[in-house]
Amino acid sequence: QVQLQESGPGLVKPSQTLSLTCTVSGGSISSGSYYWSWIRQPAGKGLEWIGRIYTSGSTNYNPSLKSRVTISVDTSKNQFSLKLSSVTAADTAVYYCARRITGGGDYFDYWGQGTLVTVSS
Amino acid sequence: DIQMTQSPSSLSASVGDRVTITCRASQSISSYLNWYQQKPGKAPKLLIYAASSLQSGVPSRFSGSGSGTDFTLTISSLQPEDFATYYCQQSYSTPPTFGQGTRLEIK
Repeated sequence: QVQLQESGPGLVKPSQTLSLTCTVSGGSISSGSYYWSWIRQPAGKGLEWIGRIYTSGSTNYNPSLKSRVTISVDTSKNQFSLKLSSVTAADTAVYYCARRITGGGDYFDYWGQGTLVTVSS
Repeated sequence: DIQMTQSPSSLSASVGDRVTITCRASQSISSYLNWYQQKPGKAPKLLIYAASSLQSGVPSRFSGSGSGTDFTLTISSLQPEDFATYYCQQSYSTPPTFGQGTRLEIK
């Protein structure tokens, strides 16, 4: 059973960089036709896709965040990471990592539990 | 970006009721439509993928239909554990986008 777990600071100051890591267990991050994604959800609001990475290192980002986002992967640690720069209060949200499967459908089948990141001084 | 619009935004129903939630895409997305269930404080859970395929382990009272721009999620007989928020999501084009959610409440 694949499991994902987010980790990182829960509080980030405005203008600084938010950094989160997702650790994948129960399977290799390098196996299969999977993309590894970040999704966020402000309190009481809907879901926003941030971006994804393939284990080759190929990335795609949401155009609305592209200038501030970097997603990277460390296959040796079975982890992938998110960096979001120049954060403001609008970036306060629960951040989820998720596995996106392609082939026979294209959907997010496994999610982490989510981690709340608050942007505040 | 493709806009996904769900209706209704909220819904009150009773245990045993049949419930239908609608999702409309701003352009045709073929069958690239997924449905998720989210309970408070939890991550979304995949219910239906490719418009009508039931994810492994999901009860058969959940079903999905539609193609093009109009889709539905149906729960045939509501159970107490089904009261949650439901989201549709398109995977036809990047960025993948979600509907605003439908909150299903106990009447």
